[in-house]
Amino acid sequence: QSALTQPASVSGSLGQSITISCTGTSSDVGAYDYVSWYQQHPAKAPKLLIFDVRNRPSGVSYRFSGSKSGNTASLTISGLQVEDEADYYCSSYTSRSALVFGIGTKVTVL
Amino acid sequence: EVQLVQSGAEVKKPGESLKISCKASGYTFTSHYIGWVRQMPGKGLEWMGIIYPGDSDTRYSPSFRAQVTISADMSINTAYLQWSSLKASDTAMYYCVRQVGIAIGGTNLDYWGQGTLVTVSS
Repeated sequence: QSALTQPASVSGSLGQSITISCTGTSSDVGAYDYVSWYQQHPAKAPKLLIFDVRNRPSGVSYRFSGSKSGNTASLTISGLQVEDEADYYCSSYTSRSALVFGIGTKVTVL
Repeated sequence: EVQLVQSGAEVKKPGESLKISCKASGYTFTSHYIGWVRQMPGKGLEWMGIIYPGDSDTRYSPSFRAQVTISADMSINTAYLQWSSLKASDTAMYYCVRQVGIAIGGTNLDYWGQGTLVTVSS
């Protein structure tokens, strides 16, 4: 199972909106509405941000939103803040009843 | 409050065996999949596999199937990740995760342990 494709890095200014893409195949992202997004700050465990494409767990800021079209899912961060600087990973359920992660995207706040 | 508390960092030599643990609390251990995610130094996340403590149903990523063993002891709410013969390439941070969701095996990882750093070096 190959890793999902994400841009290596995305940057934006304070207050701006940015979007991170996550491209898979018809056996994972395209087959199920089971895409999740995780945020990882340096030397910290990842944290669930979005599950099932667009749902936010309790306590996650409304500034994080998810969507999907075909084999590509997206995470949008609106009103970019300093604390949003982190690595972001997507994951998808697959046809083999497993999970596969994206390669990760480093977000920089300018 | 759901918590996953992992065992401490390990330093091992190539060829040695190792078993790391993850103690769960704050939920019904036998009702959710629990598994492991690897992160090699400076690299991304890799899903290794999961176990359902209620019936020991175990699923592995093809990349890890023959490399590690995932197990659980429901009498003490603890999951394990085990190697029989470590290699230098096993050096990584390993996270314990709870996997939930309606699909078989679950669809997302809602709680994470603090991580166990495994270093394999001669």
